[in-house]
Amino acid sequence: GENVEQHPSTLSVQEGDSAVIKCTYSDSASNYFPWYKQELGKGPQLIIDIRSNVGEKKDQRIAVTLNKTAKHFSLHITETQPEDSAVYFCAASKPSGEANNLFFGTGTRLTVIP
Amino acid sequence: EADIYQTPRYLVIGTGKKITLECSQTMGHDKMYWYQQDPGMELHLIHYSYGVNSTEKGDLSSESTVSRIRTEHFPLTLESARPSHTSQYLCASSERLISYNEQFFGPGTRLTVL
Repeated sequence: GENVEQHPSTLSVQEGDSAVIKCTYSDSASNYFPWYKQELGKGPQLIIDIRSNVGEKKDQRIAVTLNKTAKHFSLHITETQPEDSAVYFCAASKPSGEANNLFFGTGTRLTVIP
Repeated sequence: EADIYQTPRYLVIGTGKKITLECSQTMGHDKMYWYQQDPGMELHLIHYSYGVNSTEKGDLSSESTVSRIRTEHFPLTLESARPSHTSQYLCASSERLISYNEQFFGPGTRLTVL
């Protein structure tokens, strides 16, 4: 099955600096890579995703890159703000079908210091 | 904001009690999921369903059971709660017949068994 590894487990940055979270996956058949943000007391929410037919996607201050050859993908947050503090999860899944459950990384707790 | 609801949000009960955690979604999604989230943040899939009358065990063995009698409802039951069941339980849903498994999460139920 798929194995997703995520690093670092904790990350502290000064407000305004950039934050980078990295994930690797094991199954080359995976083609969908979402990122979820979980704030305290809430369920995870999708913030950005990337599909295997593109190498980079950007949405305002957040961007995700994908290297299919190396089987790794990364989340980049620029100009971090205190409200970016949360736990972030990467995930991977295979193409549509009955067995396309998401495989999650172990999470990164991001703290943005004002 | 996704239309997926969980009740109760918080539950403190004694050992041996039977409990049911409720999860409902109004998006008409076929697939639904239950995750257990430990204090270390990691998400563990314990049950999922492809649709009505379908239930499957996830990657993490769980003493809980689930049922799917209606599309919108996916309750989780513990027949006899134990302190080891203390955890955060997250419900999620997704469309079945799309290429990419975007999951929408509920706010979670934090269960404490004394």
